[in-house]
Amino acid sequence: EVQLVESGGGLVQPGGSLRLSCAASGFTFSSYSMNWVRQAPGKGLEWVSYIRYGASSTIYYADSVKGRFTISRDNAKNSLYLQMNSLRAEDTAVYYCARINYYAMDVWGQGTTVTVSS
Amino acid sequence: QSALTQPPSASGSPGQSVTISCTGTSSDVGGYNYVSWYQQHPGKAPKLMIYEVSKRPSGVPDRFSGSKSGNTASLTVSGLQAEDEADYYCTSYAGSPWVFGGGTKLTVL
Repeated sequence: EVQLVESGGGLVQPGGSLRLSCAASGFTFSSYSMNWVRQAPGKGLEWVSYIRYGASSTIYYADSVKGRFTISRDNAKNSLYLQMNSLRAEDTAVYYCARINYYAMDVWGQGTTVTVSS
Repeated sequence: QSALTQPPSASGSPGQSVTISCTGTSSDVGGYNYVSWYQQHPGKAPKLMIYEVSKRPSGVPDRFSGSKSGNTASLTVSGLQAEDEADYYCTSYAGSPWVFGGGTKLTVL
C-alpha cells in the first residue's frame, strides 16, 4: 500500500525549532518529488516547500518560510524532512507531506500538528 | 505568487450539477495545463480528484470533471451526492512555487 506517515509535530515556544519527518512506503521514494503543505486552523491549504526527486538538487520554499525552514530527504531511509527554526505563532498548522505525480499531489499523509505558543 | 481565486461557497441539491471556478493568471493557470483539484472532508487529509486540468485518478467517480479556459479552471460535480459535501481546493504548478486557491465549501442542500 502506498503510504505517507508524518511525525514530529508538537507544542513549541515562539523562536523554537521542530523537525518533521515523513516516512514513505509502498513506492520507490527516490523517484518522486515531494511537497510539504500546511493548513492553519480554519484556513485553507498553503504550499510550504518542494524538493525534487533523486539527488534533491532543486528545492523551493514559500516566501513565508524562506530562511527559516529547510527541506531535505534521505532516499536510503525513504524519508522526507522539514527542519523548522525560528518558529512563529503563524506557523501553527497541520503539516502534510505529499507525493508529486504528473504535477499533482496524488498521495498525502494524515498530517502532523504544530502549535507555536508560549 | 498570489493565491488563486475561488468562490468561498457553492451549493446544490442532490442530483444537480455544481461548478466551482478557479481563477489565476497567465503565469499559473493560463500558462500550464497542470491544474489539479482536491477534496477535503473535515479533519481529513486532502484527496486528489482531478489532475492536468481534466484527468481523473483511478477510483474518482466520473461525476467529477475538470476544464480550463484561459486563466480560469473549473471543477464540475454532476449528480450531486451527500458525500460530495466538502471543501475543494484548486492548485496550479507555476514553475517554481505551487499556488493554491483559497478553497470552496460545497454544501449539498
